[in-house]
Amino acid sequence: EAAVTQSPRNKVAVTGGKVTLSCNQTNNHNNMYWYRQDTGHGLRLIHYSYGAGSTEKGDIPDGYKASRPSQENFSLILELATPSQTSVYFCASGDGVNQDTQYFGPGTRLLVL
Amino acid sequence: GDSVTQTEGPVTVSESESLIINCTYSATSIAYPNLFWYVRYPGEGLQLLLKVITAGQKGSSRGFEATYNKETTSFHLQKASVQESDSAVYYCALGDPGTGSNRLTFGKGTKFSLIP
Repeated sequence: EAAVTQSPRNKVAVTGGKVTLSCNQTNNHNNMYWYRQDTGHGLRLIHYSYGAGSTEKGDIPDGYKASRPSQENFSLILELATPSQTSVYFCASGDGVNQDTQYFGPGTRLLVL
Repeated sequence: GDSVTQTEGPVTVSESESLIINCTYSATSIAYPNLFWYVRYPGEGLQLLLKVITAGQKGSSRGFEATYNKETTSFHLQKASVQESDSAVYYCALGDPGTGSNRLTFGKGTKFSLIP
């Protein structure tokens, strides 16, 4: 069973609209992460969290908010979507101890028109 | 800031031939970063292929190997004999063991496929 799931898997949004990407993990990990990947770039960290109620800015947080209402769930919110946010988004979880492995979801492909 | 540079793809080789994907890193604030190779198979999320946290050590998994070379700041991925199931995108990454966030810095990824 997949331990990190994302929804939706594909999304088409309009410029200026609100988009919420959801991530759920059953690993009982403390840390969760949101990355985006674009052609010509590696995965870039948007936001991360140390646990329920915690959100931290990553390397490219502008235009994004995050929410961690529980250990299992971590959402990425685009309040006013722009075409530049068209990308593939990956969620991951990790236990935060000793630089352990991060476990990734399958990705969400977002197209902002 | 920290950065990772890897072979620009796509890379294609014939079945049973050897594969090498180069990775070099720059860790300006981390004396001894942890180094990783992740792989993304078609239609799947990234998964850890191998990791090495001690300079001079070698990691191996699924026939792949990578050695942590602090002198050349490299972590090249090699496999002696590739097969169709190795077709994927490979990502080199570094992490800072000194932070609780376990943040990773990724390279751009290298797409590998067999020559048809």
